[in-house]
Amino acid sequence: EVQLVQSGAVVKKPGESLKISCQGIGYSFTNYWIGWVRQMPGKGLEWMGIIYFHDSTTAYNPSFQGQVAISVDKSITTAYVQWSSLKASDSAIYYCASTRHGNHHWDYWGQGTLVTVST
Amino acid sequence: QSALTQPASVSGSPGQSITISCTGSSHDIGRYKFVSWYRHHPGEAPKLLIYDVSNRPSGVSDRFSGSKSGNTASLTISGLQAEDEADYYCTSDSDIGSPYVFGTGTEVTVL
Repeated sequence: EVQLVQSGAVVKKPGESLKISCQGIGYSFTNYWIGWVRQMPGKGLEWMGIIYFHDSTTAYNPSFQGQVAISVDKSITTAYVQWSSLKASDSAIYYCASTRHGNHHWDYWGQGTLVTVST
Repeated sequence: QSALTQPASVSGSPGQSITISCTGSSHDIGRYKFVSWYRHHPGEAPKLLIYDVSNRPSGVSDRFSGSKSGNTASLTISGLQAEDEADYYCTSDSDIGSPYVFGTGTEVTVL
């Protein structure tokens, strides 16, 4: 069974760094893109950026460019999004999703990672 | 880059049909045939319902159908059921800013 398994909920303080993960299980990610999506409390879904597993090509939503970094580790079929200095406004649920290269729809989704940034 | 525009809420009685619109521009929906729709129960993973405007993945009920005209895409849910209560989002490729853009989301209520 194909799954995207995300890392668990986390509580951080403003200014701290964070890296959350999304591991693909059940198929080879080589020819897939991973996208990251943010959902702030009570708000809709927003694309943050996407990354191609094969060669780590990335494309960011300009709203997130410079605010987060998306990466992959092919050896463990895992994608990441990281922050170097969290803000309270980064509190949200973050989802990863996958699509085969050449497709434009997101077939599989992770269960979401709740990030809470609070003093 | 603005989100695609969806109605905030749509409601219907069991068995009825409802349609959710998703309005963009010539930079996204009007340009590409890559509109997809997702159902999202809060706290769960979104689920793909429609891709490439009107195609259904295997396993998705034929009660869900999609279409597009100009800069507006639509999702129709026929034979509304209680389980259809959820948030629905459209998304499209875009040629400005982010490679993809979501709609603002529509909350569907079954009366």
